Amino acid sequence: GDSVTQMEGPVTLSEEAFLTINCTYTATGYPSLFWYVQYPGEGLQLLLKATKADDKGSNKGFEATYRKETTSFHLEKGSVQVSDSAVYFCALTVFGNEKLTFGTGTRLTIIP
Amino acid sequence: EAGVAQSPRYKIIEKRQSVAFWCNPISGHATLYWYQQILGQGPKLLIQFQNNGVVDDSQLPKDRFSAERLKGVDSTLKIQPAKLEDSAVYLCASSSGGPSRQFFGPGTRLTVL
Repeated sequence: GDSVTQMEGPVTLSEEAFLTINCTYTATGYPSLFWYVQYPGEGLQLLLKATKADDKGSNKGFEATYRKETTSFHLEKGSVQVSDSAVYFCALTVFGNEKLTFGTGTRLTIIP
Repeated sequence: EAGVAQSPRYKIIEKRQSVAFWCNPISGHATLYWYQQILGQGPKLLIQFQNNGVVDDSQLPKDRFSAERLKGVDSTLKIQPAKLEDSAVYLCASSSGGPSRQFFGPGTRLTVL
């Protein structure tokens, strides 16, 4: 079946540090890939997405590139801020099915 | 535009009791989802509605969970009777088309004692 494996957390970084959160996937069909973010006390929000190989999704300084050869979709940001503290979820859907399959989430804490 | 509304936000019950959650999707969204998010795990789809019809309920434990979406608008999810392992956050999401257009509500945190 379809599955997403995320980097184990929690992750704690200092402000302005470089961030990478690893995500790999297994899919029965051709997947679209997503990163969702959950800020404290709020619902899940779509952060970025990529729908085909080599696409790069980006938003709010975050980027992730769809790598079919390594079945990966790692999340990166060059300089994190305290406001980026949240839980980040990698997810996928397979063409023809709207169902989102999520990873376990990575809790990120940024300290000033 | 108003977001997805859920109530209650928190609920504490004892095992074997019943509980119901309510979701009001974004106006005009035909697709509605219920997810279960157990602590330390990602959300897992329980049921998907398209208007008032069920599209996917393959992961809904039908011996104790039920859901309905009368008139294709708001929805209720019920657990009867609850077990300890049902302790989780129950998320509702709605969509006008496609997973990248799914909008999530704040969730209902259920604790079963």
